[in-house]
Amino acid sequence: AIQMTQSPSSLSASVGDRVIITCRASQGIRDDLGWYQQKPGKAPKLLIYAASSLQSGVPSRFSGSGSGTDFTLTISSLQPEDFATYYCLQNYNYPFTFGPGTKVDIK
Amino acid sequence: QVQLVESGGGVVQPGRSLRLSCVVTGFTFNDYGMYWVRQAPGKGLEWVAVIWYDGSNKYYADSVKGRFTISRDNSKNTLYLQMNSLRAEDTAVYYCARAEDFGSGSAPYWGQGTLVTVSS
Repeated sequence: AIQMTQSPSSLSASVGDRVIITCRASQGIRDDLGWYQQKPGKAPKLLIYAASSLQSGVPSRFSGSGSGTDFTLTISSLQPEDFATYYCLQNYNYPFTFGPGTKVDIK
Repeated sequence: QVQLVESGGGVVQPGRSLRLSCVVTGFTFNDYGMYWVRQAPGKGLEWVAVIWYDGSNKYYADSVKGRFTISRDNSKNTLYLQMNSLRAEDTAVYYCARAEDFGSGSAPYWGQGTLVTVSS
């Protein structure tokens, strides 16, 4: 199975900060990657699909980039509602695999 | 409005079985693949299984292969997860999610989850 890693595992940031989260695949996955946001006690929410496409209804401060093995999720200006855990998921081949997550909390 | 509602969770003893259901509304069920994803308490997300739109293909995480079976009834707009030989490490919230297409892609819609606790 493809292994996904994320860095950092957690970060503290302030409202208005630019936040970058990275995800790396153990082998090339083209652009078959999504980014999800999860808040405590809630289901995950799709933010980005196909590595860089913004899901409908998601604020434009979220963006994704990358292809092959290295990917990034960028939040251009962190808002209070963005404090959450973020996961990448490769959907290149089965079994799909999630990264371990990045928790973003308040500095 | 797309809705996915899971049910069937509960407390079960190790080695026993449980079947989860996920009833969907708001989209044409038999056009889309479906996933199960789980999350152990305090842990990250784990992809469990996929079934294609017509049930023709199914794939599983190594951790559940041979013990869990994903299925669907397109006439009832319902997805299932039959879980056999349950272990303590299967304790988790189980989410169903819709695929982007026939059986792959990201997951734009999710249920609220159902908790399975495996304990004696």
